[in-house]
Amino acid sequence: QSVLTQPPSVSAAPGQKVTISCSGSNSNIGKRLVSWYQQVPGTAPKLLIYDNYKRPSGIPDRFSGSKSGTSATLDITGLQTGDEADYYCGTWDTSLNVGILGGGTKLTVL
Amino acid sequence: EVQLLESGGGLVQPGGSLRLSCASSGFTFGSYAMTWVRQAPGKGLEWVSSIGSPGDTYYADSVKGRFTISRDISKNTLYLQMNSLRAEDTAVYSCAKGGIGEAGLDYWGQGTLVTVSS
Repeated sequence: QSVLTQPPSVSAAPGQKVTISCSGSNSNIGKRLVSWYQQVPGTAPKLLIYDNYKRPSGIPDRFSGSKSGTSATLDITGLQTGDEADYYCGTWDTSLNVGILGGGTKLTVL
Repeated sequence: EVQLLESGGGLVQPGGSLRLSCASSGFTFGSYAMTWVRQAPGKGLEWVSSIGSPGDTYYADSVKGRFTISRDISKNTLYLQMNSLRAEDTAVYSCAKGGIGEAGLDYWGQGTLVTVSS
């Protein structure tokens, strides 16, 4: 059971928008920066979003992140079949003094 | 180009030890935090340990007292010494550049498989 809670799965049709939530607490998301990772099965994870909403070079603007209070959100618009992957949120917990990752959300593009 | 290449994985008996290495290139190694993340078969990502740029170290409760993270800046190499290994430590171990609570883990290696079994 992860300290960060994500829905196990989400799905949507190509071209649609999907939102993946990441719920934490005052000791982690409430105090620290959130990052998001995409992992296509069998490959290394890739950084999608850092510092709550910033995109690394090369990440399309279809991916966007936000944070409010103790929750963070990853939005993906204009879904493509290539977006099918597992998505993880991550941050630092200031009480436990450890890094934490959400349990992951499997995105299916129908 | 940033490159991270893990090595040292393999099959080990419960109670045994392994040392993983992560050879890094393409960036000023000593100026960045580095992190180990693992993924058990069919499971999600799990943060294992980080070392900050000043050399401060942090561990998940599940490995504290058994694993030790270290680095050799002269060799641009990150290490994870794993002792008293358990079956539940079986996973692909990946190194990543950065700290998860800072600017994120921006580059990842492909990982090395550790299997703990008799």
